[in-house]
Amino acid sequence: SQKIEQNSEALNIQEGKTATLTCNYTNYSPAYLQWYRQDPGRGPVFLLLIRENEKEKRKERLKVTFDTTLKQSLFHITASQPADSATYLCALESNNRKLIWGLGTSLAVNP
Amino acid sequence: EAGVTQFPSHSVIEKGQTVTLRCDPISGHDNLYWYRRVMGKEIKFLLHFVKESKQDESGMPNNRFLAERTGGTYSTLKVQPAELEDSGVYFCASSPRQGGEKLFFGSGTQLSVL
Repeated sequence: SQKIEQNSEALNIQEGKTATLTCNYTNYSPAYLQWYRQDPGRGPVFLLLIRENEKEKRKERLKVTFDTTLKQSLFHITASQPADSATYLCALESNNRKLIWGLGTSLAVNP
Repeated sequence: EAGVTQFPSHSVIEKGQTVTLRCDPISGHDNLYWYRRVMGKEIKFLLHFVKESKQDESGMPNNRFLAERTGGTYSTLKVQPAELEDSGVYFCASSPRQGGEKLFFGSGTQLSVL
């Protein structure tokens, strides 16, 4: 069956370091992959989208890679700040337009 | 620009009762989506409107759930009668176009069925 896996354990890093979050998927051929951030009591907020024919996308301190052979996306936050602490969600979109979501990874950036 | 708004933010009802959730998408967004997150599980797709038409309702759990988007503006999701397993957070999202587009989410409605 189709499955998306994200780091199940919370990630704790020191301010200023780079956070790397993983999204692996099986039995799926996504046209697009998206990353969202979610804070407690709020809805997901879009961060980055990468297409199946793109290897890497950057936006300010954020970088996403997409390896369709490994069926994996990596999400990096460089020069992390305490304000980056949140849950990060990976979502795949197939040609039928609906998003399939991972459980998310909780990130805590310690000052 | 106002974001996606959902009402109510919380609802506590008893099993067997009816609840109606409302979503106001961003003005001009033809695409409106309903998603649900049950505690401990991933967010799951419920359905997708394009204007007032249901494009995809494959995620609707059963016929106790009824979604409408009359006039192609706001949408309602009614659960009747509610069951315990309907508890969760119901998110609404909108986007101006389909396919490879970011979604704008509301803050969700936390539904608790007792």
